[in-house]
Amino acid sequence: GAVVSQHPSRVICKSGTSVKIECRSLDFQATTMFWYRQFPKQSLMLMATSNEGSKATYEQGVEKDKFLINHASLTLSTLTVTSAHPEDSSFYICSARGPAGGLGQYFGPGTRLTVT
Amino acid sequence: RKEVEQDPGPFNVPEGATVAFNCTYSNSASQSFFWYRQDCRKEPKLLMSVYSSGNEDGRFTAQLNRASQYISLLIRDSKLSDSATYLCVVQLINTPLVFGKGTRLSVIA
Repeated sequence: GAVVSQHPSRVICKSGTSVKIECRSLDFQATTMFWYRQFPKQSLMLMATSNEGSKATYEQGVEKDKFLINHASLTLSTLTVTSAHPEDSSFYICSARGPAGGLGQYFGPGTRLTVT
Repeated sequence: RKEVEQDPGPFNVPEGATVAFNCTYSNSASQSFFWYRQDCRKEPKLLMSVYSSGNEDGRFTAQLNRASQYISLLIRDSKLSDSATYLCVVQLINTPLVFGKGTRLSVIA
């Protein structure tokens, strides 16, 4: 099946710093990737849709200047949390639509961000 | 009304039990339906797609009722390894997945 990787798996940073999370499709090209956030005991909430070669589409309530998304190639999308605050601490998960427009999405293993 | 609603649980069942999860969705234009499984502190993994005619995969049976906008998942002969959170997921055409909050299952020896 399609494999999506994420890096880092876990990061702890100080308030005010920026953190970059990478999401890669390892064995297929992903023109569209999705970034989700999940707080404890909550459902996955879509933050933005990342399109290769164009600007990301952000969901309502998600600050595009705070969560910078770059989808520079067909296998890599990055999410940068700028000037992180403790309330940004969460589980960030990326996913990609499967190859050849297959059903469902394949998820990366997630990045657990803790801002102190 | 939330887009996807699920019974939150937790469901605590003994090994070998049969357990059923329910889910309703609000958008009648939804086209694709899935059950995902999420283990603690891990990413969701696709368990099965759900088709209008109902489908079975081993001990797992999924049903869809479009008229009632209702999806179900039945797990027979529960194993300890089935303990996880089960996420009901719907999708319109070519749009991101929409997740329910999940139903937590604990299978007890």
